[in-house]
Amino acid sequence: TQLLEQSPQFLSIQEGENLTVYCNSSSVFSSLQWYRQEPGEGPVLLVTVVTGGEVKKLKRLTFQFGDARKDSSLHITAAQPGDTGLYLCAALKSGSARQLTFGSGTQLTVLP
Amino acid sequence: DTAVSQTPKYLVTQMGNDKSIKCEQNLGHDTMYWYKQDSKKFLKIMFSYNNKELIINETVPNRFSPKSPDKAHLNLHINSLELGDSAVYFCASSQGKGKAFFGQGTRLTVV
Repeated sequence: TQLLEQSPQFLSIQEGENLTVYCNSSSVFSSLQWYRQEPGEGPVLLVTVVTGGEVKKLKRLTFQFGDARKDSSLHITAAQPGDTGLYLCAALKSGSARQLTFGSGTQLTVLP
Repeated sequence: DTAVSQTPKYLVTQMGNDKSIKCEQNLGHDTMYWYKQDSKKFLKIMFSYNNKELIINETVPNRFSPKSPDKAHLNLHINSLELGDSAVYFCASSQGKGKAFFGQGTRLTVV
């Protein structure tokens, strides 16, 4: 059983469309991070959210942390081919020193 | 300069062999990690080291042993390699609970 479940697992869309990726858990987290991984590279941190209900924007990407700090979403507006990649959520469990647990991942493909 | 570098990038070896993957970070971070990414892209933590002390050791086989000669290095040694060890191994570092920086990964193939 995955601690962090992401959905959808795969997503293929046309350039210009909007999309939302979800990261869900039954556990409460002190913070949650979103990473993007491109082929042949390691994951790169996009954002960290720490407060329940927090919304952060990074250009066309909008990240939201659930009020109960158990879930998060990533919304991309007007997707571009450069957004293609594996999106991973990761979280530090409340009370944990440094145990960063990753979600199951969403593979996004944006077609030109 | 590369923040977190690991070598080699690709490693193909036969079952039963012993191999090592090296990792170095030049960020001055106090914590380093090893992750394993399987064929389904699931990324799972294996070890983390803080100030040369092992602070997390997930349920990995004892054939895997992390070795940290100093704060900037965390190498991964694997004994008696098995087919199921084939995966991409990532080294990472962070300062406390801060942002984690990942290396480019080492694709290990056991044949």
